[in-house]
Amino acid sequence: DVQLLESGGGLVQPGGSLRLSCAASGFTFSSHPMTWVRQAPGKGLEWVSAICPNGDCSYYADSVKGRFAISRENSKNTLYLQMSSLKVEDTAVYYCVKGGGYEKDYWGQGTLVTVSS
Amino acid sequence: NFMLTQPHSVSESPGKTVTISCTRSGDSLASNYVQWFQQRPGSSPTTVIYEDNQRPSGVPDRFSGSIDSSSNSASLTISGLRTEDEADYYCQSYDSSSQVFGGGTKLTVL
Repeated sequence: DVQLLESGGGLVQPGGSLRLSCAASGFTFSSHPMTWVRQAPGKGLEWVSAICPNGDCSYYADSVKGRFAISRENSKNTLYLQMSSLKVEDTAVYYCVKGGGYEKDYWGQGTLVTVSS
Repeated sequence: NFMLTQPHSVSESPGKTVTISCTRSGDSLASNYVQWFQQRPGSSPTTVIYEDNQRPSGVPDRFSGSIDSSSNSASLTISGLRTEDEADYYCQSYDSSSQVFGGGTKLTVL
């Protein structure tokens, strides 16, 4: 079975940094693009970032460009999201998703990031 | 960049059919596939339609997707409504450098 297990969420002050991880299993991780999607409390889904299967291309929403960095370690079947210069409006549940623009098929359970002083 | 616009909410009775629209503005919908996701309260989203009209294994054929190029919109149709279909539904598409979600539609089955 496909499993995506996010970790690394928590409480951080504005301006701080956090790194999210997503441990993948049950599929050939290195063959698939991966995506981060977030959901602020009581709000809709927002695309954050995506990365190509071998990591040689990545894309970001304008709201996080220059502050977040997506990466992957295919040898460890792990996806990362390095978040810096965090803002209150980055508070959300962050989901790791298998797939890219048109073929998302599995979602993790999400990890909550709270940015507050 | 483009936007995807969905109705905020729809409601229908059990056993009936409901259609949720998703209108793309800014460029042509037909140039990129649309996906649909279901999110029940307190749960992660799940995929119900991919590549405009394909159902993942395990999704009942009561769920169907379609594209109308003339109105630049996609639709998710759910027939034979059940109470467990009550959820938020999101459409999503992409272009060469970004992905966009619609604002979501709350389906109430009453």
